[in-house]
Amino acid sequence: ILNVEQSPQSLHVQEGDSTNFTCSFPSSNFYALHWYRWETAKSPEALFVMTLNGDEKKKGRISATLNTKEGYSYLYIKGSQPEDSATYLCASGRTSGTYKYIFGTGTRLKVLA
Amino acid sequence: GAGVSQSPRYKVAKRGQDVALRCDPISGHVSLFWYQQALGQGPEFLTYFQNEAQLDKSGLPSDRFFAERPEGSVSTLKIQRTQQEDSAVYLCASSLSRQYEQYFGPGTRLTVT
Repeated sequence: ILNVEQSPQSLHVQEGDSTNFTCSFPSSNFYALHWYRWETAKSPEALFVMTLNGDEKKKGRISATLNTKEGYSYLYIKGSQPEDSATYLCASGRTSGTYKYIFGTGTRLKVLA
Repeated sequence: GAGVSQSPRYKVAKRGQDVALRCDPISGHVSLFWYQQALGQGPEFLTYFQNEAQLDKSGLPSDRFFAERPEGSVSTLKIQRTQQEDSAVYLCASSLSRQYEQYFGPGTRLTVT
């Protein structure tokens, strides 16, 4: 995989449901993987920075895992609330002579009350 | 403390005009990124600064785009002879260093008519 891919593209869940999404990224020359939360008409806000294979990070009801060898990260939301409705973006940074972060197109989550 | 600010927030330019977009990063942040964001898409990398050094400009779409950060703080993205395809939101983000989470500004929405 050369690009950053996120799935699903969009998701509707009921309040209280738990959910998860996937970010796939190039596994070679891995540097860091970022997760951002992006609300409509606002700028992306950082959730997690992940750098080590096997990393697990948690912030409240949201957690993330990282597998750098196979090039994927999962974001989990436990007990979804309407205020969790947003687009969740991941961004991959590599060490291969470039300083860029490549963003996926995001997973749009809608939590229904 | 103050976040990342960008000005102007909105810019309408006639085709062929030059524009300058300003980014004030968080004080002390070494890394500064510029991104272009099309409607409904994730941010697309344009260029990266580490202090005043532009280390990666591989994302700049043409030689009409130029960015600078002369004193390692404020940055300006200049677009010469604007074209309709330049219409987008231009986001600036800063971070303590390249690996750390990025703090995004509110963006400048450029419309070329």
